[in-house]
Amino acid sequence: DTEVTQTPKHLVMGMTNKKSLKCEQHMGHRAMYWYKQKAKKPPELMFVYSYEKLSINESVPSRFSPECPNSSLLNLHLHALQPEDSALYLCASSQSVTAPGYGYTFGSGTRLTVV
Amino acid sequence: RKEVEQDPGPFNVPEGATVAFNCTYSNSASQSFFWYRQDCRKEPKLLMSVYSSGNEDGRFTAQLNRASQYISLLIRDSKLSDSATYLCVVNSPQGGSEKLVFGKGTKLTVNP
Repeated sequence: DTEVTQTPKHLVMGMTNKKSLKCEQHMGHRAMYWYKQKAKKPPELMFVYSYEKLSINESVPSRFSPECPNSSLLNLHLHALQPEDSALYLCASSQSVTAPGYGYTFGSGTRLTVV
Repeated sequence: RKEVEQDPGPFNVPEGATVAFNCTYSNSASQSFFWYRQDCRKEPKLLMSVYSSGNEDGRFTAQLNRASQYISLLIRDSKLSDSATYLCVVNSPQGGSEKLVFGKGTKLTVNP
């Protein structure tokens, strides 16, 4: 079982819907990440949170809004998405952003389909 | 030039074969290097970190050449269960933060 838990595992939403993806880790990691992965492509970084503060935003459109309520939780709020936003959304965590020497632990992802 | 470049693959090998994957990175400030494995429709999982002196974990050997900015992964005695996409991953310092950048991945199929 993965130590990073993502919910829901699958999500279908319309272009006018508002939904949220959730991610939780209890490893005491202080850095959390959102990645987006399209089919047959590598994961692409969206956001980095360090000690609950946003430290990197990879020029992600505002229809994606991240939130880190506490050190164990990371949310991704979705609004007015487009069909091309359909992808696997992966959450990851690491001990800290400045010491990624142990790599990231990924959740199993949320497979999002926008219709 | 992309930050992380890998052999495009795919690689199709018989069981028991030895297969090597190569990867280059462009950011000379990178300090952490990894190989991840991703099975179809699953999340990436850390296979091994790559250390300057090279390191081995069972049938897997990783090498790093900082001067050439080159990383490799060698798999000996391939098993059917090794079939997956192998992702070369490198850290990229960015201001006071860092991120991991993934190569495109190399798909390996081990055939009976």
